[in-house]
Amino acid sequence: TQLLEQSPQFLSIQEGENLTVYCNSSSVFSSLQWYRQEPGEGPVLLVTVVTGGEVKKLKRLTFQFGDARKDSSLHITAAQPGDTGLYLCAGVHLRYTGRRALTFGSGTRLQVQP
Amino acid sequence: GAVVSQHPSRVICKSGTSVKIECRSLDFQATTMFWYRQFPKQSLMLMATSNEGSKATYEQGVEKDKFLINHASLTLSTLTVTSAHPEDSSFYICSATRTGVPDTQYFGPGTRLTVL
Repeated sequence: TQLLEQSPQFLSIQEGENLTVYCNSSSVFSSLQWYRQEPGEGPVLLVTVVTGGEVKKLKRLTFQFGDARKDSSLHITAAQPGDTGLYLCAGVHLRYTGRRALTFGSGTRLQVQP
Repeated sequence: GAVVSQHPSRVICKSGTSVKIECRSLDFQATTMFWYRQFPKQSLMLMATSNEGSKATYEQGVEKDKFLINHASLTLSTLTVTSAHPEDSSFYICSATRTGVPDTQYFGPGTRLTVL
């Protein structure tokens, strides 16, 4: 069973602060995705990282995939209230069925106070 | 493109009744559809994977007789919660993949089920 642990589980910060969310596993994933979910809505894909050591930037968000493809981090610079939400990492892996599936991390709930 | 819809968005039912939730890919043909369940303040848990015209593959611990999945066409999958009980109250989310992009799942907006 692939498990993805995220830390911290909950983060409340002031507008303008920086933060990092971690996603760790003992399993190797072919790729890893980060999502943001608003209350009462489905998750929205932010980025997919594929290569070990890969770094991707999306405006103030920086995503990194670990060299061994077992972990990832999301760094937000100068957080804004609009960044508030549930951040989920998800690992792509091959199931016993021969099909790919996603295993979601435990989630990090971010609250940015104005 | 790649929009997935769910209907209904919210449903309240009495204990013992059955509820059907629809998941549609609006502008593409979905090779595979997934059903997830999300309890309050928790992450998404995969319930089952379905492919058009074949039986769904259920995750360990998910009762296939309770959560009936039908994937009759390339744009529609349905999840029926049979004999629903209060503990089945949850947020049900579907997703779909398209041909050639198997690692990208397009998520629906979710259905909030409340069983009284």
